[in-house]
Amino acid sequence: SYELTQPPSVSVSPGQTASITCSGDEFEYKYASWYQQKPGQSPVLVIYQDSKRPSGIPERFSGSNSGNTATLTISGTQAMDEADYYCQAWDSSTYVFGTGTKVTVL
Amino acid sequence: QITLKESGPTLVKPTQTLTLTCTFSGFSLSTSGVGVDWIRQPPGKALEWLALIYWDDDKRYSPSLKSRLTITKDTSKNQVVLTMTNMDPVDTATYYCAHSLTTIKGMDVWGQGTTVTVSS
Repeated sequence: SYELTQPPSVSVSPGQTASITCSGDEFEYKYASWYQQKPGQSPVLVIYQDSKRPSGIPERFSGSNSGNTATLTISGTQAMDEADYYCQAWDSSTYVFGTGTKVTVL
Repeated sequence: QITLKESGPTLVKPTQTLTLTCTFSGFSLSTSGVGVDWIRQPPGKALEWLALIYWDDDKRYSPSLKSRLTITKDTSKNQVVLTMTNMDPVDTATYYCAHSLTTIKGMDVWGQGTTVTVSS
């Protein structure tokens, strides 16, 4: 089965850029979505189709996908961006979630 | 405005069958391209996708759980039902349903989740 691997944690200072990677075999041929989940809350879609932002998602969230890795970038990170982030892909007619990354804003 | 809400038992015994209902509003599950997914999250762990039902009644299941899952829809009631057989303590999790519009646009609206504990 298809697997998506993320780093367990990423730390970033306020105002700096956080990059969260998601690795999967030939990922560039699939579309990546990204979800933000804060403690005790349901996940929120922040990026779909590799780089598109749903309505209401701040411009500081951006995404890219190349080779075997999709990347979620948070520019000018704010304290409110501290959360768990999950990537997702569609493969062989099923969805797969990544292992998740905890972003800490120090 | 799209909303979804999960309902079902909070406690089930091992070997029992779990039945969860997702009641939604703000969209129709007879509209082309629309789907409803079920996802779960064990305490402190990652999200796990379980199943998807499309507007045309096409169904998809997680390969690892396919033998235990059944997803159905009742378009007239705006509900999607997930059943999971032979429950085990490792199935203890928060279960979410979510709206999706084609497989490339992600799950754009999620329910609040319902917590299910499997214990004797």
